[in-house]
Amino acid sequence: KNEVEQSPQNLTAQEGEFITINCSYSVGISALHWLQQHPGGGIVSLFMLSSGKKKHGRLIATINIQEKHSSLHITASHPRDSAVYICAAHRMNRDDKIIFGKGTRLHILP
Amino acid sequence: DTEVTQTPKHLVMGMTNKKSLKCEQHMGHRAMYWYKQKAKKPPELMFVYSYEKLSINESVPSRFSPECPNSSLLNLHLHALQPEDSALYLCASSRITGTNEQFFGPGTRLTVL
Repeated sequence: KNEVEQSPQNLTAQEGEFITINCSYSVGISALHWLQQHPGGGIVSLFMLSSGKKKHGRLIATINIQEKHSSLHITASHPRDSAVYICAAHRMNRDDKIIFGKGTRLHILP
Repeated sequence: DTEVTQTPKHLVMGMTNKKSLKCEQHMGHRAMYWYKQKAKKPPELMFVYSYEKLSINESVPSRFSPECPNSSLLNLHLHALQPEDSALYLCASSRITGTNEQFFGPGTRLTVL
């Protein structure tokens, strides 16, 4: 079992829908990243959080440390949000190395 | 400048060639990373440099040779690669190592023939 698990693996939705991507982890962490990767490769850091909630535009990330769970929400989804979303955890006491989830492939239909 | 740049964008090389990948950042970051990413897989850490010194080598074969000539530049020298080394090579930087946000470059897509 991976130390960082994401669900769903693939998600197709209509433009305008509210999107939720989940991330669960089984190790102690000091922080968690949400990353976005478009076809063609480059990775963009969306959020890094260690508690609570962060919001940037239509994106919201939450983390519950006790439940070892984080979610990424996209409001009013748009086809340009189509990408792979990756959850990555800084493991406590090993925080030079981050553990990546396998990613969620999101496709927003116009 | 909040950007990590990588050159070249694409590289095709034969198994006997020697080539180099270059990564640059001007954010004053003192930690730089090389990752390898195969198709539909998450990135895998290869090397970490902290204050221009190699701090982590994830048992990477010696045909990959990293170099950090100064605090803004990170190179990855390639020699005698195998076709299975074909992948997207991503560079990242952070303020220092530890729990700090990593900023990624666009990657170099490498094909080894």
